[in-house]
Amino acid sequence: ETGVTQTPRHLVMGMTNKKSLKCEQHLGHNAMYWYKQSAKKPLELMFVYSLEERVENNSVPSRFSPECPNSSHLFLHLHTLQPEDSALYLCASSRGWATGGDTDTQYFGPGTRLTVL
Amino acid sequence: AQKVTQAQTEISVVEKEDVTLDCVYETRDTTYYLFWYKQPPSGELVFLIRRNSFDEQNEISGRYSWNFQKSTSSFNFTITASQVVDSAVYFCALSEAWETSGSRLTFGEGTQLTVNP
Repeated sequence: ETGVTQTPRHLVMGMTNKKSLKCEQHLGHNAMYWYKQSAKKPLELMFVYSLEERVENNSVPSRFSPECPNSSHLFLHLHTLQPEDSALYLCASSRGWATGGDTDTQYFGPGTRLTVL
Repeated sequence: AQKVTQAQTEISVVEKEDVTLDCVYETRDTTYYLFWYKQPPSGELVFLIRRNSFDEQNEISGRYSWNFQKSTSSFNFTITASQVVDSAVYFCALSEAWETSGSRLTFGEGTQLTVNP
């Protein structure tokens, strides 16, 4: 399998449930990202991992808990979510560094459509 | 602070028409990178092009072309002879040069393009 994959593609959960989103990249990249895409809003960067270390957390509520066990896998653990957390959650990966003044390009997975009841 | 504006929320054309999607950006950096991504109904963001701030050459790839003008801070995207399969949301994004731990993208709000048969 190639590129960036995400599972599940669709998830419906209650406010008291605990669930996890999984992302896997097959591109040999070192940086991974979680984004949230809500209706009528620009994509919001949630977390950035570089070489398995979290390097950015954009004021995301603690009910979202990321985990990066290795450079190929990224998880987003969800608990006690709110209905306003319903959105498309996108994972991306990139090479993770710039060389010669260049930047790196992020490649995205298909997303997980989350509905919180 | 960086900002990307895609003023066209929705565009509807008939197949075979040419269509231009506008993107205007703001940044105080002298080195930056601009991107276009396509998001079909399946949800995945598909990378289309990256352009750095030092390269103002226009680019053509098949039916796609991009016009980068630093003087007007614009990076417009034209689809020639549009097809139904071009129907998607198109995002313009901006990144500063980043040497470690990945890139940081600022996205516009996207333009929904509908190509009717």
